[in-house]
Amino acid sequence: DTAVSQTPKYLVTQMGNDKSIKCEQNLGHDTMYWYKQDSKKFLKIMFSYNNKELIINETVPNRFSPKSPDKAHLNLHINSLELGDSAVYFCASSQVTLAGEQYFGPGTRLTVT
Amino acid sequence: QKEVEQNSGPLSVPEGAIASLNCTYSDRGSQSFFWYRQYSGKSPELIMFIYSNGDKEDGRFTAQLNKASQYVSLLIRDSQPSDSATYLCAVFPSGGYQKVTFGTGTKLQVIP
Repeated sequence: DTAVSQTPKYLVTQMGNDKSIKCEQNLGHDTMYWYKQDSKKFLKIMFSYNNKELIINETVPNRFSPKSPDKAHLNLHINSLELGDSAVYFCASSQVTLAGEQYFGPGTRLTVT
Repeated sequence: QKEVEQNSGPLSVPEGAIASLNCTYSDRGSQSFFWYRQYSGKSPELIMFIYSNGDKEDGRFTAQLNKASQYVSLLIRDSQPSDSATYLCAVFPSGGYQKVTFGTGTKLQVIP
């Protein structure tokens, strides 16, 4: 039943490690997003894919690499993790024509020690 | 200059009162406006959207838009403790593949 799911929910890792977060949506949407929400609760877009094509690529360190194998899945791989990467990462989806009406996943809380 | 501004709060209102949440935006070409609710430790959830000047009502919620003043607000009537959350204003510009810009949110506390 879950509309937008993410795994894992929690991720605790050490600096320098590489980790991935996976996202899946079953809403039939054609656009998916990655957001970062920091400790001050500011929600900042990182990437967006429309039908597997990268359409939004904000100023994000190139240690972050998104991949969309199909329009229902969007993954985020992070290399050489840093302390400042600690945050909650949200996946979201929408129809491109209704891009403001987004459905969010439960989030992945990443803690880098 | 922040693109979408909200007072971070907390905004405290007694149960049963009207809560008024405000948002201003800088992009005059913005076309659509959204309110998301985020409970602590949870993900944002869309609760209202408005595209035209004026008011839009949905149950206890009313969204108000004034494009000339670049101002959008959310009124919550008969506030309940379950309304206690952070409310995020989001703005979407017109045309092409553009991104939604979120405000930093206003924390609402409804006091029983």
